[in-house]
Amino acid sequence: QVQLQESGPGLVKPSETLSLTCTVPGASITSYSWSWIRQSPGKGLEWIGHLSNSGSTNYNPSVKSRVIISVDTSKNQFSLQLSSVTAADTAVYYCAGSNAAARPFDHWGQGTLVTVSS
Amino acid sequence: EIVLTQSPDFQSVTPKEKVTITCRASQSIGSSLHWYQQKPDQSPRLLIKYASQSISGVPSRFSGSGSGTDFTLTIDSLEAEDAATYYCHQSSSLPYTFGQGTKLDIK
Repeated sequence: QVQLQESGPGLVKPSETLSLTCTVPGASITSYSWSWIRQSPGKGLEWIGHLSNSGSTNYNPSVKSRVIISVDTSKNQFSLQLSSVTAADTAVYYCAGSNAAARPFDHWGQGTLVTVSS
Repeated sequence: EIVLTQSPDFQSVTPKEKVTITCRASQSIGSSLHWYQQKPDQSPRLLIKYASQSISGVPSRFSGSGSGTDFTLTIDSLEAEDAATYYCHQSSSLPYTFGQGTKLDIK
């Protein structure tokens, strides 16, 4: 079972950049496709974007102009940056892994709550 | 964007009952439909992949069927531990999307 662990600030001010990291100990980060998914309080799941095994990225049009997903292979981590945040970006953010792009999400982190507030 | 619509939104059921949750896609997605279970304060867990393929470690009372635009998750002989919200997810085309969820309450 692949373990994933999100980390990052739990509170971000409006208009600033939300930055989260997902660490994947014990697994080759280049062997999987990695996604960020969020869940607003009491709401459903929204796919934000992914970094495929080939190194390409795809983003949800709902956040495409504000998001970057990147990888640091030396640390076995991948990251999410979401700029110009508003209260609507308040959510539990999950990192998730699949064997390849366009596959189900086999592995999930425990999730981290990020609140956007001044 | 492909919209996934689940029904019902909420269902109250008794143990040992058979439960059926449906997921309808706004356009054909072949078999690229997956089901997840999310319990309170937990992350989602993959239950069924590609409409009907079982997942190791998932109880056999969970099964899936369908293709194209109409899909079904069936729970045979519901157990108390199945109280959760269930989501469908399509990986046929970008952006990947999820259904709105079906919350199962155990009486």
